[in-house]
Amino acid sequence: NAGVTQTPKFQVLKTGQSMTLQCAQDMNHEYMSWYRQDPGMGLRLIHYSVGAGITDQGEVPNGYNVSRSTTEDFPLRLLSAAPSQTSVYFCASSYPRLAGGTGELFFGEGSRLTVL
Amino acid sequence: GQQLNQSPQSMFIQEGEDVSMNCTSSSIFNTWLWYKQDPGEGPVLLIALYKAGELTSNGRLTAQFGITRKDSFLNISASIPSDVGIYFCAGQGGTSYGKLTFGQGTILTVHP
Repeated sequence: NAGVTQTPKFQVLKTGQSMTLQCAQDMNHEYMSWYRQDPGMGLRLIHYSVGAGITDQGEVPNGYNVSRSTTEDFPLRLLSAAPSQTSVYFCASSYPRLAGGTGELFFGEGSRLTVL
Repeated sequence: GQQLNQSPQSMFIQEGEDVSMNCTSSSIFNTWLWYKQDPGEGPVLLIALYKAGELTSNGRLTAQFGITRKDSFLNISASIPSDVGIYFCAGQGGTSYGKLTFGQGTILTVHP
């Protein structure tokens, strides 16, 4: 069972570089989301999607772009990396309660990003 | 926006002790979820609560959905070293299609 797969697991960038964090799920979940985790801050929502072609901003969207061309994939793009974006990033998906599911978020293993 | 206050922020306990942590919200939630995160891993669901007043157990873990729908607690009985990790509460409002709001997390350390 693959579940939610994130790549890469580790990445080091220089300030100003761009990159894409990949996320794929094989559970046919409509809802997908990206969180960042920083010490003492919990999990903060960056962007989310309720289905293919639909995305919306979360709590901390600045500096990040997303797209959802398929149900399975939800990549997160850093346009011009800054040291403040050093963090651990988690992709998560769910079958929402309003759609008849449990609402449980399934998380990937995380991508640790360092921006120098 | 919705805010969740989770306490305590950290706990240092001896093996065998019971643990209690809780979350309070400024808003009403229809779903409360409790997650555990092991080092280097993503959070994993421990218990899900869907009704006000609901009390649910999963082995040594017990969680309750508060009557006011603005709070929840998690108890761990007879702690063991593998209980070490970060515990998160998460809540979902009635109109939220999938979005969860997370607490700041409780870091649990268990001394053998």
